[in-house]
Amino acid sequence: GAVVSQHPSWVICKSGTSVKIECRSLDFQATTMFWYRQFPKQSLMLMATSNEGSKATYEQGVEKDKFLINHASLTLSTLTVTSAHPEDSSFYICSAERGRAGELFFGEGSRLTVL
Amino acid sequence: GENVEQHPSTLSVQEGDSAVIKCTYSDSASNYFPWYKQELGKRPQLIIDIRSNVGEKKDQRIAVTLNKTAKHFSLHITETQPEDSAVYFCAASNLNTGNQFYFGTGTSLTVIP
Repeated sequence: GAVVSQHPSWVICKSGTSVKIECRSLDFQATTMFWYRQFPKQSLMLMATSNEGSKATYEQGVEKDKFLINHASLTLSTLTVTSAHPEDSSFYICSAERGRAGELFFGEGSRLTVL
Repeated sequence: GENVEQHPSTLSVQEGDSAVIKCTYSDSASNYFPWYKQELGKRPQLIIDIRSNVGEKKDQRIAVTLNKTAKHFSLHITETQPEDSAVYFCAASNLNTGNQFYFGTGTSLTVIP
């Protein structure tokens, strides 16, 4: 099956620093990827739609200047959490669209802890 | 936007019994309803899905039913096994406008041996 990989799987950073998380589709091209945020024991909240070669589309309530998304190639989308604060600590998961409607594959997630 | 509600939030069943999880959605344009199983700290795994042109779908011990009029859909797991223990999420999407999935709040299922 299709593989989507995230890196890093776990990152700890100091408050005020920026952290970049990568989402790669390893064996298929993905013009569209999605970023989600998941708090402990809670649901996956869609943050934004990442479109290759164009600006990301953010869901209502998500700060675009806080969560920078770049989708520079058909196999890579990055999420940068800028000036991270403890409340940004969360599990961030990406998914990639392979082509057929509804065909999404999820990454393994990245756990961010901001001290 | 789409709002998906899911019940119950926790569910415990004896091994061999059935488990039912229910979801409702708000956007009548949603036409795709997947169910995911997520183990702690891992990626969600698709277990079954249903499209709006179908009322029921079954795959071995797992089945999903959809009532478009009432805007609700349900997951049914029969003959539950301890390895079914996990968190289950429903989701809704309008595939005509993209693959944005809106997830329910999750159900933590525990199957007691």
